[in-house]
Amino acid sequence: SSELTQDPAVSVALGQTVRITCQGDSLTTSYATWYQQKPGQAPILVIYGNNNRPSGIPDRFSGSISGSTASLTITGAQADDGADYFCHSRDTSGNRYVFGTGTKVTVL
Amino acid sequence: QLQLLESGPGLVKPSETLSLTCSVSGGSITSDYWSWIRQPPGKGLEWIGYVFFTGSTNYNPSLRSRVTMSVDTSKNQVSLRLNSVTAEDTAVYFCARLEEPGIRQYYFDPWGRGTLVTVSS
Repeated sequence: SSELTQDPAVSVALGQTVRITCQGDSLTTSYATWYQQKPGQAPILVIYGNNNRPSGIPDRFSGSISGSTASLTITGAQADDGADYFCHSRDTSGNRYVFGTGTKVTVL
Repeated sequence: QLQLLESGPGLVKPSETLSLTCSVSGGSITSDYWSWIRQPPGKGLEWIGYVFFTGSTNYNPSLRSRVTMSVDTSKNQVSLRLNSVTAEDTAVYFCARLEEPGIRQYYFDPWGRGTLVTVSS
């Protein structure tokens, strides 16, 4: 299967911790990548290689993997973290890149 | 700092060809892979394909019959053509650099700001 499934929406209180999951068979053959997207803007890379943060991304963002499920955790969520988050990997055939269905994070 | 900027018609008629250009500044397009990704309004992301600076390509099987990507190294530009468009091709189209920092690791970065293409008569 080449699908990546995410919960449609989650909410988190300001300063609390939220975990977003992404499930799919492709995550057993390819590392997970995570993007943050705000309305009307291009996605921004926040995690690659399951758990690596690009320079400039706050350390409250972290990633992990367990079997075919990848997770993105925001520890101490800030108001600015409210956005859509998409996971991404390469499918098991190696022929195409696939994105998750997306999770809308609301910071209360 | 590498910057990407998509350009092209915002309105295309059904059955016609969508043509977009991605202009890359702050760096050269040589030695990298360049992808097109689209996002229908209010929906998720779909990878369309990539082109290497040499001109070699890899397309999403679902779109392969209608897609052509190319590079113009003299202009530092990447192009996308999508034939026989329908309303389902209405989307924001992004270009992005595809990076492979390690074995089985892939990411798109940076992205252009995207351009909305509407298919309508």
